[in-house]
Amino acid sequence: GENVEQHPSTLSVQEGDSAVIKCTYSDSASNYFPWYKQELGKGPQLIIDIRSNVGEKKDQRIAVTLNKTAKHFSLHITETQPEDSAVYFCAASTGGADGLTFGKGTHLIIQP
Amino acid sequence: GAGVSQSPSNKVTEKGKDVELRCDPISGHTALYWYRQRLGQGLEFLIYFQGNSAPDKSGLPSDRFSAERTGESVSTLTIQRTQQEDSAVYLCASRGGGSYNEQFFGPGTRLTVL
Repeated sequence: GENVEQHPSTLSVQEGDSAVIKCTYSDSASNYFPWYKQELGKGPQLIIDIRSNVGEKKDQRIAVTLNKTAKHFSLHITETQPEDSAVYFCAASTGGADGLTFGKGTHLIIQP
Repeated sequence: GAGVSQSPSNKVTEKGKDVELRCDPISGHTALYWYRQRLGQGLEFLIYFQGNSAPDKSGLPSDRFSAERTGESVSTLTIQRTQQEDSAVYLCASRGGGSYNEQFFGPGTRLTVL
């Protein structure tokens, strides 16, 4: 089955700086890659996703890149703000009936 | 509109007891998923329901775990003879429409087995 590796497990950046979180996946059939943000005591919330026919997608301060050949994808957050502090999860899926396979999460800390 | 709701929010039980966790998906969502999240870990897929089709139970860790769903509404996850390693947050998600649509998560049930 699919295996998703996520790095780093913890990331601390100064407010205003950029943050990058990287994931790799094992199943070349995976074609849907969402990113979720989980705040303390809440369920994960989708922040951006990308499908395999696209190399990059951007939504305001958040962008995701996908390299299908290398089987890795990354989340980029620019101009970080205190409210960006949370745990971020990447995930991969072959779509259809499959559940998502999640990475182990990155605890992002924004230092004031 | 209302999102995915789960109850109870917290459950403390003694080892060996059975527990039932409830999920109310977003109205009209045909797909429903259960995940387990151990402390500091990612989400582990447990089971998937799609309409009236047979559920995909491939993620259930043992035969002590079972889940039911009535049509396209409420789902219950049952854990029999709970063990300490069952302690985790159990998350439910629902999805409507096509395969690539967003999964909406509930707030989870935090289960503690003493």
